[in-house]
Amino acid sequence: LAKTTQPISMDSYEGQEVNITCSHNNIATNDYITWYQQFPSQGPRFIIQGYKTKVTNEVASLFIPADRKSSTLSLPRVSLSDTAVYYCLVGSKAAGNKLTFGGGTRVLVKP
Amino acid sequence: NAGVTQTPKFQVLKTGQSMTLQCAQDMNHNSMYWYRQDPGMGLRLIYYSASEGTTDKGEVPNGYNVSRLNKREFSLRLESAAPSQTSVYFCASSKGSEGLDEQFFGPGTRLTVL
Repeated sequence: LAKTTQPISMDSYEGQEVNITCSHNNIATNDYITWYQQFPSQGPRFIIQGYKTKVTNEVASLFIPADRKSSTLSLPRVSLSDTAVYYCLVGSKAAGNKLTFGGGTRVLVKP
Repeated sequence: NAGVTQTPKFQVLKTGQSMTLQCAQDMNHNSMYWYRQDPGMGLRLIYYSASEGTTDKGEVPNGYNVSRLNKREFSLRLESAAPSQTSVYFCASSKGSEGLDEQFFGPGTRLTVL
């Protein structure tokens, strides 16, 4: 499984865009990149998944450069309720069900 | 739909006691998972079940056993609890049998072993 590196924490203000970058230098050809969000005292929640270039849904965008050695989760116009821990996961179908959640990035949105 | 439910929500055990954590999902998902999360840490996979009748070890299986009772239910048993097993336990499920499928998590069980 590819190892991921994320910042431990980030602060932002309401209405700003938050960008969290995840490094995964040893990503394999068949690996996908998935992001989960976890609020305090709750289980994680799936946000977005991508393989290359850009993926967008109603919650976030995921940018993946051509070399795929990193990816950036973009949260547009955050609110206080976006305060959470965000996990970057890299894995492939070949790895079966063994997903690894690293330490995540703790995002604090201030008023 | 209730999604993924877990019981109990809280539990305090003494060292050496046993207990079973229950998990059920009503989404007709094939795969189910048990994770543990220690304070300030990410989740670590204990066991998973890709389909009814099958179970496989995850990253930290020692000290635990699991049972996939049917498609809906996946239980986690601690035979002889130890203080190192103090943690929050999350159950999850996914539609497919591959780890990349979106996982839906339960609310967690907070376990303290004294």
